Amino acid sequence: AQTVTQSQPEMSVQEAETVTLSCTYDTSESDYYLFWYKQPPSRQMILVIRQEAYKQQNATENRFSVNFQKAAKSFSLKISDSQLGDAAMYFCAYRVGGGATNKLIFGTGTLLAVQP
Amino acid sequence: EAGVAQSPRYKIIEKRQSVAFWCNPISGHATLYWYQQILGQGPKLLIQFQNNGVVDDSQLPKDRFSAERLKGVDSTLKIQPAKLEDSAVYLCASSLAIPGTEAFFGQGTRLTVV
Repeated sequence: AQTVTQSQPEMSVQEAETVTLSCTYDTSESDYYLFWYKQPPSRQMILVIRQEAYKQQNATENRFSVNFQKAAKSFSLKISDSQLGDAAMYFCAYRVGGGATNKLIFGTGTLLAVQP
Repeated sequence: EAGVAQSPRYKIIEKRQSVAFWCNPISGHATLYWYQQILGQGPKLLIQFQNNGVVDDSQLPKDRFSAERLKGVDSTLKIQPAKLEDSAVYLCASSLAIPGTEAFFGQGTRLTVV
């Protein structure tokens, strides 16, 4: 069974500093996708960044980047130059590629606080 | 582009009552998900539709929960009878039926069972 584990329930970072959120997953599939979603207090889940497992290059979206280690089944999120608006719950998610059963599985989340 | 619409935003009911949630996905999105998110936890998939067919409902408590997606567009999730432990946020999401595409989420319905 596919599982997603986030071992950091809470993290804190100073404004303008860098923080890394950890995520590990378990799967026997070779074709899959990984995501980081942000959920602010308003509750609406927003996609932050996506990584295709077949790509060796780590995905980057402005201040957000990932460190994807396929062999280790690790997918961490780095937030550079943290801003107050980055404060939210962050969820790592996994989705198998192909087929109709492409369900999206979430980890338990990491609550990020940004200190001014 | 309109996002995923959910209603109501909030609902308070007594235990053993019934409740229904409604979701209108993004136009053209064949895949629709219902998640249950208990406070402090990650979303748990209850049911996944591909058009109007059920793809996965392995974690749906079928003795009390039901869901349908008529004509492959709107969907409703019903709980009857509700229990205290059903208190949670119910999230609806939709995506294209293409591997790896982003799932878009609605704002959710916060259910409180008293």
